[in-house]
Amino acid sequence: NAGVTQTPKFQVLKTGQSMTLQCAQDMNHEYMSWYRQDPGMGLRLIHYSVGAGITDQGEVPNGYNVSRSTTEDFPLRLLSAAPSQTSVYFCASSSVTGEQFFGPGTRLTVL
Amino acid sequence: GNSVTQMEGPVTLSEEAFLTINCTYTATGYPSLFWYVQYPGEGLQLLLKATKADDKGSNKGFEATYRKETTSFHLEKGSVQVSDSAVYFCALSDRTARAGKSTFGDGTTLTVKP
Repeated sequence: NAGVTQTPKFQVLKTGQSMTLQCAQDMNHEYMSWYRQDPGMGLRLIHYSVGAGITDQGEVPNGYNVSRSTTEDFPLRLLSAAPSQTSVYFCASSSVTGEQFFGPGTRLTVL
Repeated sequence: GNSVTQMEGPVTLSEEAFLTINCTYTATGYPSLFWYVQYPGEGLQLLLKATKADDKGSNKGFEATYRKETTSFHLEKGSVQVSDSAVYFCALSDRTARAGKSTFGDGTTLTVKP
């Protein structure tokens, strides 16, 4: 039981490049979320999904896309990277009781 | 909408000191309340939780009581250790809404000195 896994752990991009952050969970949770964490700003919700085929925007969705084709996977796509997207990104899945299980994070730098 | 307000940090304590990190919330419905801990370079992990009024969550010597009358969920530990140095997040999940959508406080950084 691996829980929530994220790849890559570190990434450096140039402005304008695109990439996909991978997230997978093996707990059969319906609910999955993407957050970004910036110094002094806590966690901010980017996108979330309540099940396969259903996604919705969080508080900071601009510049990011998501899809949910399976219960297990919830990738986050950066369409055209900008320096403002330099951050640590966390994927989480949630049990029906609301407890969140977080991945180890992806540390992204956009030059 | 829902919100969580945490005591601002950073908090610096000496080993064996008493810890309190205040957390208050605003929510519609009947939320479940959580404390998460984040150690350096890692993701958040659940520390403790409470799902209804007057419940006490506890783990690793940490405790928090769900106080509906004061809409609070303060984190306490009687004697902190250097290994407790981390960032602590208070959070709620509104069971009348989508359970996956939690609301987090801004986090409180705790440093414990030997």
